[in-house]
Amino acid sequence: EAGVVQSPRYKIIEKKQPVAFWCNPISGHNTLYWYLQNLGQGPELLIRYENEEAVDDSQLPKDRFSAERLKGVDSTLKIQPAELGDSAVYLCASSLGGYGTEQFFGPGTRLTVL
Amino acid sequence: ELKVEQNPLFLSMQEGKNYTIYCNYSTTSDRLYWYRQDPGKSLESLFVLLSNGAVKQEGRLMASLDTKARLSTLHITAAVHDLSATYFCAVDRGQFYFGTGTSLTVIP
Repeated sequence: EAGVVQSPRYKIIEKKQPVAFWCNPISGHNTLYWYLQNLGQGPELLIRYENEEAVDDSQLPKDRFSAERLKGVDSTLKIQPAELGDSAVYLCASSLGGYGTEQFFGPGTRLTVL
Repeated sequence: ELKVEQNPLFLSMQEGKNYTIYCNYSTTSDRLYWYRQDPGKSLESLFVLLSNGAVKQEGRLMASLDTKARLSTLHITAAVHDLSATYFCAVDRGQFYFGTGTSLTVIP
């Protein structure tokens, strides 16, 4: 079974440029998550989707971050414009959904903003 | 807001030794997960603990959950180099709250 797929794996951009990350969850997983992981810290939730609906985006900085999950499968996370402090690893995870279900993580996208 | 603390943050241990990593959390939950992360890699699920008193074992690792004490432990038995990684606990309160991570280095 294929795992969670993310691309690109690495991205280097200059500040104020836009950037987008893509995620393809495990087939059949209705719930999709985007996390931010700063160096030396645990992941922090940015947004959670149940199918195509964003059900928890309270920690997404909406002034510059946006996300979408069209058709309830793939998802894209965008930053525009990027700031130096956005340098981090962006992880996508998916699960079957519901309270207490295990989350499976993708390899992440390491973003460096210069 | 739920706080999840792990200790120690850094652990260097010799091969063959035993040690325990602790995960304390501030709000009631009966579901906790342990993940392993190798440098530059993503998180790999190790254990799913879904009730008070749950104990799971896999190889040299054993995890337990005490929901009354709001404490989970990850016990390492006779450590080997391959266990070197960062270990995270995550508390499920509708969303996952991750601990700070414990960076484990096993020295030959």
